[in-house]
Amino acid sequence: SQTIHQWPATLVQPVGSPLSLECTVEGTSNPNLYWYRQAAGRGLQLLFYSVGIGQISSEVPQNLSASRPQDRQFILSSKKLLLSDSGFYLCAWSHPGQGEKLFFGSGTQLSVL
Amino acid sequence: AQKITQTQPGMFVQEKEAVTLDCTYDTSDQSYGLFWYKQPSSGEMIFLIYQGSYDEQNATEGRYSLNFQKARKSANLVISASQLGDSAMYFCAMREETSGTYKYIFGTGTRLKVLA
Repeated sequence: SQTIHQWPATLVQPVGSPLSLECTVEGTSNPNLYWYRQAAGRGLQLLFYSVGIGQISSEVPQNLSASRPQDRQFILSSKKLLLSDSGFYLCAWSHPGQGEKLFFGSGTQLSVL
Repeated sequence: AQKITQTQPGMFVQEKEAVTLDCTYDTSDQSYGLFWYKQPSSGEMIFLIYQGSYDEQNATEGRYSLNFQKARKSANLVISASQLGDSAMYFCAMREETSGTYKYIFGTGTRLKVLA
């Protein structure tokens, strides 16, 4: 069966510090991968998506970047965090062979202070 | 322009009654998919139901049904026999295809509170 791992679960970082959130998928190959951000009490904003290694599409120009160094690994990064980067970050995957669903990780609650 | 619109920020329903959560969407694609997800206070995203744009029958999954009105571009979620455990945030989402890739766009959500 397929699983998605996302870590850490919570993170408190000072303004101006770097960020690295990692997400890995097991049990499938060549998934489509996604990073979403959810501000407190708000909807999900699509940040990045990837259809393959090294292929990243950005939805919203901002202080963040994403990379996909391996087929089932998706990393969200920042060189210098802003207060506005605070939020709940969700990694997700989909695959045509798995129907139409988007499968989510458990999320990372990021607080930038 | 919003592609997914959920106009109800919050809803209350009495336990054991039915409730409808509204969702309208905007797309020029012929092929697309519509979803509903539940997000309890734990933050996890739980898939509830899916409707394809070519599906003629409304989707049903247990107590969940999707009232799909294609001409109106609406995809409302109906929860029958509400339970206390249904209290959560509910998101409507649309899958659209861009350059051969699927993107999933979410609405702003509806917070449902089930009253005992």
